[in-house]
Amino acid sequence: AQSVTQLGSHVSVSEGALVLLRCNYSSSVPPYLFWYVQYPNQGLQLLLKYTSAATLVKGINGFEAEFKKSETSFHLTKPSAHMSDAAEYFCAVIKGGAQKLVFGQGTRLTINP
Amino acid sequence: DGGITQSPKYLFRKEGQNVTLSCEQNLNHDAMYWYRQDPGQGLRLIYYSQIVNDFQKGDIAEGYSVSREKKESFPLTVTSAQKNPTAFYLCASSTNGQGAGGYTFGSGTRLTVV
Repeated sequence: AQSVTQLGSHVSVSEGALVLLRCNYSSSVPPYLFWYVQYPNQGLQLLLKYTSAATLVKGINGFEAEFKKSETSFHLTKPSAHMSDAAEYFCAVIKGGAQKLVFGQGTRLTINP
Repeated sequence: DGGITQSPKYLFRKEGQNVTLSCEQNLNHDAMYWYRQDPGQGLRLIYYSQIVNDFQKGDIAEGYSVSREKKESFPLTVTSAQKNPTAFYLCASSTNGQGAGGYTFGSGTRLTVV
């Protein structure tokens, strides 16, 4: 069964520092992978997606993620954190023929001034 | 603008009551989904529907029911059989067979048992 594991339920970085949020997937075939962002009391917004094209995927708000098959990873990065990046981030994978999204546990990102 | 509308944003339920959460989309998406979100547990799938008049149980369907009489609407009823209904509920949709494009989410309904 396809699933995702996010390492670290809470990550804290200083404003201007590198953001790195970790996601590993479990799949026997290259999956479709996603990163979503959620601001307090709101729905989820798609940041970026990997669909077997380029392994380095660029998303909105300066985020990007690299698909590494050898490491079964899809980590999310941003070179310089901004206060507005404080939110919860979810990694997700498509599962099954019904195209259901399966989510990781989420990582709460805090930005320190 | 196209999107998904969930209502109400906040809902309070007394013990033993059924409540219905509304989800409407004008994206012409075939598939719709209901997720439950609890702190530290990510999102868990309750029910999903790929076409009108058909729906499937997700991972935590017990105590919930749905209907899909119209393409645009996918209401979720939280029944009295759901023992711990306090949570944040999210509705989503996608073009059927195009889940790889990602889902579009509503802004959620926060349900609290009082």
